[in-house]
Amino acid sequence: SQQGEEDPQALSIQEGENATMNCSYKTSINNLQWYRQNSGRGLVHLILIRSNEREKHSGRLRVTLDTSKKSSSLLITASRAADTASYFCATDKANSKLTFGKGITLSVRP
Amino acid sequence: EPEVTQTPSHQVTQMGQEVILRCVPISNHLYFYWYRQILGQKVEFLVSFYNNEISEKSEIFDDQFSVERPDGSNFTLKIRSTKLEDSAMYFCATLRETAGGTQYFGPGTRLLVL
Repeated sequence: SQQGEEDPQALSIQEGENATMNCSYKTSINNLQWYRQNSGRGLVHLILIRSNEREKHSGRLRVTLDTSKKSSSLLITASRAADTASYFCATDKANSKLTFGKGITLSVRP
Repeated sequence: EPEVTQTPSHQVTQMGQEVILRCVPISNHLYFYWYRQILGQKVEFLVSFYNNEISEKSEIFDDQFSVERPDGSNFTLKIRSTKLEDSAMYFCATLRETAGGTQYFGPGTRLLVL
């Protein structure tokens, strides 16, 4: 089964707007993490939320987790052109390997 | 801030050749991983390594793949006889402790098999 499916697959917004990206998963998890990847580059860790947490903030990022719906959302407020990237959610269980979704391509227009 | 480093950044090889991809983990991290990302696809888990042995591997990680930590610092992924479908970005990741903390990824090695 697919774990960590994001939607939408692509999102285009104007600079200054908020971007909301969603992730759903199928099995139980310990943690859910969001990563950013600029084109052809490495994965940059953004934020981790544990299964017993419901919401977490880091700067302009806000992540929510609903374990009853097996879903998470990543909100980027006041977006900037530099936020243009692909965003991935990744889940882990007790054995700690990460299972990634297919990613969301975010374009922020100046 | 400590970083995971990987070498080389790019590698081009002929089908059937052996390649070794290298990673230097963050110094106090104990768990090491290799992932790969075929162009345009999602990141896939290959193998995890702890206490000098493989702790888990995926179906992708067949007999052509091996990992080792030869000198206590480098963590290597070897592909014995490369295939065209091995062309991908390979990422090393490290984790300080288990129970699911933050995995820190290196910048990746882009492997192209011709």
